[in-house]
Amino acid sequence: GDSVTQTEGPVTVSESESLIINCTYSATSIAYPNLFWYVRYPGEGLQLLLKVITAGQKGSSRGFEATYNKETTSFHLQKASVQESDSAVYYCALADSGGSNAKLTFGKGTKLSVKS
Amino acid sequence: EAAVTQSPRSKVAVTGGKVTLSCHQTNNHDYMYWYRQDTGHGLRLIHYSYVADSTEKGDIPDGYKASRPSQENFSLILELASLSQTAVYFCASSDNTEVFFGKGTRLTVV
Repeated sequence: GDSVTQTEGPVTVSESESLIINCTYSATSIAYPNLFWYVRYPGEGLQLLLKVITAGQKGSSRGFEATYNKETTSFHLQKASVQESDSAVYYCALADSGGSNAKLTFGKGTKLSVKS
Repeated sequence: EAAVTQSPRSKVAVTGGKVTLSCHQTNNHDYMYWYRQDTGHGLRLIHYSYVADSTEKGDIPDGYKASRPSQENFSLILELASLSQTAVYFCASSDNTEVFFGKGTRLTVV
């Protein structure tokens, strides 16, 4: 089946430092899955942070970026300068199709703490 | 804005008891999902539904039933709760572009 592996947490970085959370995937149900990063802030549900549906493309949102690399089957999340408000749990995920019936496969989540 | 509301947000249940987790969406989406998350695991799909009065099994359906009485409502039912079902449960609905999640229900079975 499909699987997603991401950086084990917790991860602690200082404000204004750079961040990378690694994500690699294995997709057996579809050759080029849609890839996602979700974020869960304390007390909230998961929110879509960014998604990329085309291999080789980069997605970006709120200062975060991730590039869909089909050669290395990776989708690492990066930010040049984190803020305390970025403290949250980040989930990498893939979808087995592009439609509304897509089922998501998630990584275990990476808890990020940003210290001031 | 798309909204998925779960109730209760937190529950303590006794082993062998019946538990019902409720989910309501105002997004007019056809697809709804129930996921669970355990420490050290990603979210795993329990049941899903693409139309009222019909449900489908996800990846880990054992020990759970689901009910979709209307487009807006989707319930997860634990007929005989067990300790291994202690987890955080997330409901979601989706359109063609995005999946929208509720805030989660923390279930503790004692």
